[in-house]
Amino acid sequence: ETGVTQTPRHLVMGMTNKKSLKCEQHLGHNAMYWYKQSAKKPLELMFVYNFKEQTENNSVPSRFSPECPNSSHLFLHLHTLQPEDSALYLCASSRTAGVWGYTFGSGTRLTVV
Amino acid sequence: DAKTTQPPSMDCAEGRAANLPCNHSTISGNEYVYWYRQIHSQGPQYIIHGLKNNETNEMASLIITEDRKSSTLILPHATLRDTAVYYCIEGGGSNYKLTFGKGTLLTVNP
Repeated sequence: ETGVTQTPRHLVMGMTNKKSLKCEQHLGHNAMYWYKQSAKKPLELMFVYNFKEQTENNSVPSRFSPECPNSSHLFLHLHTLQPEDSALYLCASSRTAGVWGYTFGSGTRLTVV
Repeated sequence: DAKTTQPPSMDCAEGRAANLPCNHSTISGNEYVYWYRQIHSQGPQYIIHGLKNNETNEMASLIITEDRKSSTLILPHATLRDTAVYYCIEGGGSNYKLTFGKGTLLTVNP
């Protein structure tokens, strides 16, 4: 257990479904991140939140919608996804954006059918 | 895109030191060198970071060249559980985004 908890661990959804991924940390960190890792590809940064404010959207399609209600929680809302969106979605946190080592969660393995 | 260069794979015998090289020739003065590793299908794990000086912690040692253009991560006594992809990343300072490359797959053999 790293201190960053992601739920669910596995998710299968149809292309017309709406689902949400949840990330929670109680490390006292103020920055949170979403990364995507597709098969045999490097991790891709999707979104950065620093003190609850979004500071980075790395050209992510609008079918992915992040939400950060407070510094401890981060959500990724999913709707009308495509099969190519199937991937491991990783959440991370750090003391502030980029300065200290990131702590990653174990990820959500998403399969879009 | 990642700005660091690492060999795609390396092998190491169990109990021996694993030395993983990284080139970061475009690193700026206030950027750190970070090392993470990712064991299959898990989230990456922070190992160590440094700016100019060599660093050591309970997991590894980090040797940074004087010109800061390259570094080496040393796992002093590799075990089978150290088999993972190791990422060397520039970050911090004005660059708050950690951009992961393809890393080095280290395989520790019995």
